[in-house]
Amino acid sequence: DAGVIQSPRHEVTEMGQEVTLRCKPISGHNSLFWYRQTMMRGLELLIYFNNNVPIDDSGMPEDRFSAKMPNASFSTLKIQPSEPRDSAVYFCASSRTRGQHGYTFGSGTRLTVV
Amino acid sequence: GDSVTQMEGPVTLSEEAFLTINCTYTATGYPSLFWYVQYPGEGLQLLLKATKADDKGSNKGFEATYRKETTSFHLEKGSVQVSDSAVYFCALNSGGSNYKLTFGKGTLLTVNP
Repeated sequence: DAGVIQSPRHEVTEMGQEVTLRCKPISGHNSLFWYRQTMMRGLELLIYFNNNVPIDDSGMPEDRFSAKMPNASFSTLKIQPSEPRDSAVYFCASSRTRGQHGYTFGSGTRLTVV
Repeated sequence: GDSVTQMEGPVTLSEEAFLTINCTYTATGYPSLFWYVQYPGEGLQLLLKATKADDKGSNKGFEATYRKETTSFHLEKGSVQVSDSAVYFCALNSGGSNYKLTFGKGTLLTVNP
């Protein structure tokens, strides 16, 4: 089991550029979650999918953020245009169930917008 | 709504000391409860869980008991090691059709040799 795989591990970009973060969930997991972690706000749930369908995107901070899950093995989180306040660690997690047995997290993408 | 409150850190202990990190929760229904650990530069890892009242979750010497009467899930370890230095998160899932894990703010533990 390779776990949840995120890429890239680190991303440094200039303000105004488009950023795409990628996630491959664990095979057989049907729920996928995107979180953002900052010192100020801790862990924030941005969006989650079940069976590739977005269930709740109320945590997405602005229209600059979008997420897709075109199939069961791949998801993207896109920020366009990026701003310095988007700098954070972005985690993807997946789960076989609705969450009552917990999630498996990826190692995260550390995004720095300069 | 659901919420998790855990003791604020940082917590600094000497090696072999006893550890308690308090966690209380508010939830509808009968939640599942979790402790996650985050080592520096890594993602969150599930440390232990309990899915019903009076269950005790345990792993790597850590324990936590699901106390419905006090709505608590305190994390304990009898003898901490330097390698236990990390951030610890308490979390819950309120079950039913709810997909979300609700996390506490995290507690930074530093263990000195």
